[in-house]
Amino acid sequence: GAVVSQHPSWVICKSGTSVKIECRSLDFQATTMFWYRQFPKQSLMLMATSNEGSKATYEQGVEKDKFLINHASLTLSTLTVTSAHPEDSSFYICSASETGGRTGELFFGEGSRLTVL
Amino acid sequence: SQQGEEDPQALSIQEGENATMNCSYKTSINNLQWYRQNSGRGLVHLILIRSNEREKHSGRLRVTLDTSKKSSSLLITASRAADTASYFCATVRTGANNLFFGTGTRLTVIP
Repeated sequence: GAVVSQHPSWVICKSGTSVKIECRSLDFQATTMFWYRQFPKQSLMLMATSNEGSKATYEQGVEKDKFLINHASLTLSTLTVTSAHPEDSSFYICSASETGGRTGELFFGEGSRLTVL
Repeated sequence: SQQGEEDPQALSIQEGENATMNCSYKTSINNLQWYRQNSGRGLVHLILIRSNEREKHSGRLRVTLDTSKKSSSLLITASRAADTASYFCATVRTGANNLFFGTGTRLTVIP
């Protein structure tokens, strides 16, 4: 199956710093990628839809200036958590939809665990 | 959750028994998918059932979909200790291409 790679898999940072997480589709092109956030023992919450070459679409309640998304190519989307605080500590997961693929078929990365001290 | 609820929230069974998890959702959908997540890991796609399908099988997995009741069930037969994980249903809404996840069921299979 198609492979989506996330990097880093885990990161620890100090409060106030910014952290960038990358999501790459390794063997397919992804016009659309999705970013999810997951708190311990909870479900995945869709944060935003990342569209190649255009602005991301954010879900209600997600701060655009806090979570910057860039989808500069058909194989890479990045999520930058700006001025991170301890409450931003979470598990962030990306998924990608293959361009021209079947509707709703998504491939997930392994996730990135962010800990803000 | 953004889309629906699952029950039970947690399920503990003996190896060899069957496990049934239920999912209810709120809106009209294009398809419904089930995913598995081991602790602290990414998601593994298990099975996809389209809105015009009522039942689907894949190995030891059986999924049903009742669009009139906006519900789905996942049955894992002859469970194994390695099936221990969290299971999530997720829906693709009609006219959309993103997934919204249910609350999940934590399954523990005791050897």
